[in-house]
Amino acid sequence: AQSVSQHNHHVILSEAASLELGCNYSYGGTVNLFWYVQYPGQHLQLLLKYFSGDPLVKGIKGFEAEFIKSKFSFNLRKPSVQWSDTAEYFCAVLTGANNLFFGTGTRLTVIP
Amino acid sequence: SQTIHQWPATLVQPVGSPLSLECTVEGTSNPNLYWYRQAAGRGLQLLFYSVGIGQISSEVPQNLSASRPQDRQFILSSKKLLLSDSGFYLCAWTRAGGPQETQYFGPGTRLLVL
Repeated sequence: AQSVSQHNHHVILSEAASLELGCNYSYGGTVNLFWYVQYPGQHLQLLLKYFSGDPLVKGIKGFEAEFIKSKFSFNLRKPSVQWSDTAEYFCAVLTGANNLFFGTGTRLTVIP
Repeated sequence: SQTIHQWPATLVQPVGSPLSLECTVEGTSNPNLYWYRQAAGRGLQLLFYSVGIGQISSEVPQNLSASRPQDRQFILSSKKLLLSDSGFYLCAWTRAGGPQETQYFGPGTRLLVL
């Protein structure tokens, strides 16, 4: 069965540290990939998405993600996190059959 | 601008009681609508989606049902709640292009079944 794995359940970083959140999926066909974020007290919202083209995708607030097809991965990165990046991050994969699967989420806590 | 509302925000219900959660979207026409559930320690699980009035697709067999009586209204229901129905229920909408479109999520309803 198709699945999306986010192995880091809770990540704690100090401000200015670099961030990488893992996302792996199991689906052999064409995929569209998303990262959503939920800041405390706010709605879940889109951070960035990949459909085609350059596998390095840039999103809002300095986030980027790289699609590595051979590794079935779409890791989220940010070179220097801020306290305001504290949130829960969800990876999602849309398969060619138009099925959308979300990961279990990774909670990021940034310590000032 | 578009907004999405969910009601109620929090609900505590006994096992075996009925359920009705409402989701409404403003500022757009003919949206695709989605119901998700997020259980503790799990990702978002798609329960139902709708591409139009009266058109409901179910992703997971369960004791829940959904209805879309109006273009911008999506209702999640149950005749008899189970303990396992506890969770956080999110409604979302996309433009009519389909699931590849950006999902816009509502604030969610936290349901506790006792």
